Amino acid sequence: GAGVSQTPSNKVTEKGKYVELRCDPISGHTALYWYRQSLGQGPEFLIYFQGTGAADDSGLPNDRFFAVRPEGSVSTLKIQRTERGDSAVYLCASSFSPGGGGSAYNEQFFGPGTRLTVL
Amino acid sequence: AQSVTQPDIHITVSEGASLELRCNYSYGATPYLFWYVQSPGQGLQLLLKYFSGDTLVQGIKGFEAEFKRSQSSFNLRKPSVHWSDAAEYFCAVGAHGAGTALIFGKGTTLSVSS
Repeated sequence: GAGVSQTPSNKVTEKGKYVELRCDPISGHTALYWYRQSLGQGPEFLIYFQGTGAADDSGLPNDRFFAVRPEGSVSTLKIQRTERGDSAVYLCASSFSPGGGGSAYNEQFFGPGTRLTVL
Repeated sequence: AQSVTQPDIHITVSEGASLELRCNYSYGATPYLFWYVQSPGQGLQLLLKYFSGDTLVQGIKGFEAEFKRSQSSFNLRKPSVHWSDAAEYFCAVGAHGAGTALIFGKGTTLSVSS
């Protein structure tokens, strides 16, 4: 079956613009995670969805960042008024969570990421 | 707070030589521990994980890792490195509990020389 897919693979935008990044998780995976990976760093957690709801958004850096998952499958990460410091690779991961509770116990499968460059 | 330290930013190993990548973690109890590999243009791939039990865990591609509670370490090893192992390696920790995300180290870049 298909893995996690992310579109676009690359996005170049200008400072102040709005961007949307899309994640298609593995079919049937109820848990979805967004991470951000800056140059020379490991991935940093942004937000976690269980089904349609954001169960943990403690990693979002500020209110310019927002994510949705309206039907419990595809998710969109939205960044308003982009800044140069937002430039990074944005990774999406999904996992199957029996019982719906979610847990680090369940393997997270990562997509290839979207490289965002803010000029 | 949980954290992961990978002391080596870049390591070069000759093909066929053994490899050890270091990982130290900070966590109040026994965490879930993971090693991921990231090749250029590829997503992160899970190599192995430790949850409990036997402290020596085997993974894919001939990798293994040993959990040492006394040293708060989870070092990754491979007895004989292949050129295709050149990539970036990340150690990560996950907390017990529902929905917890992973905390990653900064990664170690492995180069393989012929």
